[in-house]
Amino acid sequence: DGGITQSPKYLFRKEGQNVTLSCEQNLNHDAMYWYRQDPGQGLRLIYYSQIVNDFQKGDIAEGYSVSREKKESFPLTVTSAQKNPTAFYLCASSRNWYEQYFGPGTRLTVT
Amino acid sequence: AQSVTQPDIHITVSEGASLELRCNYSYGATPYLFWYVQSPGQGLQLLLKYFSGDTLVQGIKGFEAEFKRSQSSFNLRKPSVHWSDAAEYFCAVGGNNNDMRFGAGTRLTVKP
Repeated sequence: DGGITQSPKYLFRKEGQNVTLSCEQNLNHDAMYWYRQDPGQGLRLIYYSQIVNDFQKGDIAEGYSVSREKKESFPLTVTSAQKNPTAFYLCASSRNWYEQYFGPGTRLTVT
Repeated sequence: AQSVTQPDIHITVSEGASLELRCNYSYGATPYLFWYVQSPGQGLQLLLKYFSGDTLVQGIKGFEAEFKRSQSSFNLRKPSVHWSDAAEYFCAVGGNNNDMRFGAGTRLTVKP
């Protein structure tokens, strides 16, 4: 059964700690994306990767880091430098950039 | 850079009534346009997309959208809404590789 998995669904962290969100896909897609979603603001692109070992910053990359060591995996680290990390994070993948498939999301709460 | 405006933050319709969700975009060339739906706490699902050709696009779940270049709009419609359509709907526009912009979303409530 092909798809995108994100884990965990809910994540709680203390301020000042780094946290890594998992994203795995078995759709054999080359491109993967991370978006942040806040109420009333739609989705904003954090990072994207078109091929293994390569990734590009999106509109709001500050305070985040990613890696793409395997085609199937694109983990996102929210660092302590991110000023407002509490949000809903969505991972997506695509064969062509314009047809993105989304995972179920991870809700991160930092207190 | 392209941008998307969804003028309605929240819409309430009665079950069985027709629905139209508005989307206006800004883009210098021919855009690629999309509508996605998101159930609470879930990811986004693609409803339909427009690249070129027929300006009336059919999607899944009985939805359709019409591209009107003169009005820079791509409104989503459904003739008869079902309670299961209650969700948040996002319009998106793209034109260059990996540069897709999403609207802020419209939350749809369906009254019994």
